[in-house]
Amino acid sequence: DSGVTQTPKHLITATGQRVTLRCSPRSGDLSVYWYQQSLDQGLQFLIQYYNGEERAKGNILERFSAQQFPDLHSELNLSSLELGDSALYFCASSVMGQGSEAFFGQGTRLTVV
Amino acid sequence: AQSVTQLGSHVSVSEGALVLLRCNYSSSVPPYLFWYVQYPNQGLQLLLKYTSAATLVKGINGFEAEFKKSETSFHLTKPSAHMSDAAEYFCAVSGASNNDMRFGAGTRLTVKP
Repeated sequence: DSGVTQTPKHLITATGQRVTLRCSPRSGDLSVYWYQQSLDQGLQFLIQYYNGEERAKGNILERFSAQQFPDLHSELNLSSLELGDSALYFCASSVMGQGSEAFFGQGTRLTVV
Repeated sequence: AQSVTQLGSHVSVSEGALVLLRCNYSSSVPPYLFWYVQYPNQGLQLLLKYTSAATLVKGINGFEAEFKKSETSFHLTKPSAHMSDAAEYFCAVSGASNNDMRFGAGTRLTVKP
């Protein structure tokens, strides 16, 4: 158990809908990352937050947004969903510091039908 | 910006044979390097990490990796493959700020009996 909790584990929704994925980081970790993993794109970095502030942005679509709350949990919002958004979405957390590894949650499998 | 390239999307070995998974990095600053493993339907977990303390890094499950600056490589090895090693392996790199951990495309390891 990595200590990172993601909910829900599975999500099936229709095209055009909006969903929210939730992540609780490890106790004490201030940094949260979101990744998307799909068969054709591999593991793609979406966005990073540190202590409530956006720190880095990767290949995140404009239809997607995220935030980190004062209690450090994070949410990834996906809107106007398309079939191609079907993927595994991972959250990871780390302490902020040189060489710190990221600890991953089990992921949320999103299926858009 | 940092990046890693994993050579070979699929590697197949026989049980008991040497495992060699290749990773080359690109970084304008001294890198921190990581190997993660992903078992089916699970999140990524850390195998080992290099943070400049020693060039040969030992990890869990008998894996090790050697940092070679002259070759910009961080290949993962295990002397004797076990069936339980079958998984996907990801190499990752981050720079000094830790804002930018980047993953390779992954290598799927198959172990034949």
